[in-house]
Amino acid sequence: AQSVTQPDIHITVSEGASLELRCNYSYGATPYLFWYVQSPGQGLQLLLKYFSGDTLVQGIKGFEAEFKRSQSSFNLRKPSVHWSDAAEYFCAVMGYGGSQGNLIFGKGTKLSVKP
Amino acid sequence: KAGVTQTPRYLIKTRGQQVTLSCSPISGHRSVSWYQQTPGQGLQFLFEYFSETQRNKGNFPGRFSGRQFSNSRSEMNVSTLELGDSALYLCASSTAAGGTTDTQYFGPGTRLTVL
Repeated sequence: AQSVTQPDIHITVSEGASLELRCNYSYGATPYLFWYVQSPGQGLQLLLKYFSGDTLVQGIKGFEAEFKRSQSSFNLRKPSVHWSDAAEYFCAVMGYGGSQGNLIFGKGTKLSVKP
Repeated sequence: KAGVTQTPRYLIKTRGQQVTLSCSPISGHRSVSWYQQTPGQGLQFLFEYFSETQRNKGNFPGRFSGRQFSNSRSEMNVSTLELGDSALYLCASSTAAGGTTDTQYFGPGTRLTVL
């Protein structure tokens, strides 16, 4: 069965420091992978997505993610974190059924940013 | 262009009652998906509708149902509410054009509290 694991429940980084959020997936075929961000009281916003091709994907707000098939990972990175990046981040894989409307999410990683 | 709107934003019900939540997708979007978000289970896919037909369904009991109208607006119904149904219900819409260009846009959610 498809699944997504985000090993870190909560991460705290200092403003200006680099960030890496981990995501591992289990999927029987070539996965479609996503990273979403959720600020308190808000819905989800798509940061980036991977379908195929270049394994390094650029997203919005300075985020990037790298797909590594051999490690079943899709880690999210940002070289310099801003206080406004404090939020909860979700990794997701598209479920079977061929539609992007069916996403399987990880449990999320809450990011706190120290001034 | 207006985003995905969900009504109501907050709702309080008692056990045994039923509830209907509404989602208006972005204009031109034909796919609407529903997700349940709880602290314990995280984000879980409920179902997806496309052109008034249910295209995918998650692993939820039959008390959870939905429908989509010809204008792509969607409703979700939960009958015989249980305490465990307390959650944030998120709706997402997309053009469902398929491929890498399709992106799901999430609404702010409806916060349902069951007493």
